[in-house]
Amino acid sequence: DAGVTQSPTHLIKTRGQQVTLRCSPKSGHDTVSWYQQALGQGPQFIFQYYEEEERQRGNFPDRFSGHQFPNYSSELNVNALLLGDSALYLCASTLLGRDTEAFFGQGTRLTVV
Amino acid sequence: AQSVTQLDSQVPVFEEAPVELRCNYSSSVSVYLFWYVQYPNQGLQLLLKYLSGSTLVKGINGFEAEFNKSQTSFHLRKPSVHISDTAEYFCAVKESRNTPLVFGKGTRLSVIA
Repeated sequence: DAGVTQSPTHLIKTRGQQVTLRCSPKSGHDTVSWYQQALGQGPQFIFQYYEEEERQRGNFPDRFSGHQFPNYSSELNVNALLLGDSALYLCASTLLGRDTEAFFGQGTRLTVV
Repeated sequence: AQSVTQLDSQVPVFEEAPVELRCNYSSSVSVYLFWYVQYPNQGLQLLLKYLSGSTLVKGINGFEAEFNKSQTSFHLRKPSVHISDTAEYFCAVKESRNTPLVFGKGTRLSVIA
């Protein structure tokens, strides 16, 4: 049973560019959440997707957007990249409304230069 | 708003010695509490969780934690650590099944041979 998979694992982008990160949830899970983990910090919640809609959002600007597909996979898009967007981006999947743990992917390391 | 404070950013400990990683949280309502471990260049793995019931929770790899509502704490303990326990440990809280996780800044546990 595959867990949460994220792609790519590493990415280098130039300031001002746009980036798309991808996540496939654990089999049987229907909800995907994205977190940003800056160096030396704990993960911070960006947003959560369920039934192809954004359910909840953290304190992130509109440059951060997402999408969920009918197969529950998800994308995180970041426009107009800033140096401060450099971080590890983690995807977590859960089953909405259940006491299941959140399973995390290995993350995508984004470096903005 | 919820918040999590991990009181120690770094904890060095000798192999086979006991360890305690401290976590305090603030919330006006009942909470669910979690400890996650992150090995270098990897995502987060759940060590243990408190949802309700017994305040002493046992997790994987010999770790346990005790929920103390009056002190709003959820400290993580292990009676005898191994070199392989060297990692970053994150305490997290959420208010309900469907709300996002709020993480502390992490504690780096370094086990010394």
